[in-house]
Amino acid sequence: KNEVEQSPQNLTAQEGEFITINCSYSVGISALHWLQQHPGGGIVSLFMLSSGKKKHGRLIATINIQEKHSSLHITASHPRDSAVYICAAITNSGGSNYKLTFGKGTLLTVNP
Amino acid sequence: DVKVTQSSRYLVKRTGEKVFLECVQDMDHENMFWYRQDPGLGLRLIYFSYDVKMKEKGDIPEGYSVSREKKERFSLILESASTNQTSMYLCASGPVYEQYFGPGTRLTVT
Repeated sequence: KNEVEQSPQNLTAQEGEFITINCSYSVGISALHWLQQHPGGGIVSLFMLSSGKKKHGRLIATINIQEKHSSLHITASHPRDSAVYICAAITNSGGSNYKLTFGKGTLLTVNP
Repeated sequence: DVKVTQSSRYLVKRTGEKVFLECVQDMDHENMFWYRQDPGLGLRLIYFSYDVKMKEKGDIPEGYSVSREKKERFSLILESASTNQTSMYLCASGPVYEQYFGPGTRLTVT
């Protein structure tokens, strides 16, 4: 079983819909990243959070440490939101070293 | 703006060739990372480095080596490329909690 699980793997939505992508993890974490990867493009960080909720524009990320679960929400989705969304847990790899453990990603397609 | 560049966007090599993938960052970051990304498997850490001439194995180091002679440059080496190393390779630099990714190199080994 992967340490970081995302769902769904693929998601197709119509423009304007509210979107939720889920991430569950089975390890102790220091924090959790949500990342975005456009086709052919590099990866950019959207959020890093260790508790509660963060909002940036139409994007909202929440995390529940007790339930080991995080969600990424997109309100009023737009075709330009089409991308792969990746959650990554910051985990201790030994001593004072930390690393990112990635989910497999969710491919979001927003149709006009 | 932080910039992480990779030497090639697309690369085609033959089985058995020695392959060098170069990554350069301009933000004086101590940490640099090499990942590969495969459909259905996501991103996996190959090697990372916390300082010049220092390297640590990630989750899938087999078949790879790295070199960090200068702080800004981190090279991934495939000693003898194999078809199962066909993948997207991504370099990143920065603290673990704030990594900046390069654009990726799509390597095809035939």
